[in-house]
Amino acid sequence: EAGVTQFPSHSVIEKGQTVTLRCDPISGHDNLYWYRRVMGKEIKFLLHFVKESKQDESGMPNNRFLAERTGGTYSTLKVQPAELEDSGVYFCASSQVGTGSYEQYFGPGTRLTVT
Amino acid sequence: AQSVTQLDSHVSVSEGTPVLLRCNYSSSYSPSLFWYVQHPNKGLQLLLKYTSAATLVKGINGFEAEFKKSETSFHLTKPSAHMSDAAEYFCVVSDQDYKLSFGAGTTVTVRA
Repeated sequence: EAGVTQFPSHSVIEKGQTVTLRCDPISGHDNLYWYRRVMGKEIKFLLHFVKESKQDESGMPNNRFLAERTGGTYSTLKVQPAELEDSGVYFCASSQVGTGSYEQYFGPGTRLTVT
Repeated sequence: AQSVTQLDSHVSVSEGTPVLLRCNYSSSYSPSLFWYVQHPNKGLQLLLKYTSAATLVKGINGFEAEFKKSETSFHLTKPSAHMSDAAEYFCVVSDQDYKLSFGAGTTVTVRA
């Protein structure tokens, strides 16, 4: 069974540009999460989808970030325009609904560098 | 509110000796607790989880952790370190069924 995949693995962009990160969850997982780790800080929750609906986006830093999950399968996270403080590693995770174990499976992350 | 404190940012051990990674948590509810590991250039991998069953939890690769409610601790141990255990380890708490709160991470170095 394929795990959570993320694309790209690395992205280097200039301040003011736009970047779109993609996450493909494990097949059949309705829950999808985005997390972020900026340099020297803890991994922080950004948002949570159940299928195509946003359940909680309380961790999104500001309105330059837009997450979508059309059709309830893969998700994208767009940063527009990117700022220097957006640099970090963006993780995606997925889990099944109703298993009770709350276990989230993580992807390898996308390392974003804004210069 | 929930939070996690990992008491050591770096731990260095010799191969074959025990490993102890310390974690204290704060939670308003009966929490679920996890330890994840990240090897270089790899994703986060679940080592073990506590979800209100047995307080001593066994995980993969010989790791185990004990939930101590009176001490609000969830320390991770392994009796004998292997070179492949060199990685960053995260203690994680969840008092809801989705939002995870991570500790700052502990980097483990294993000396030959």
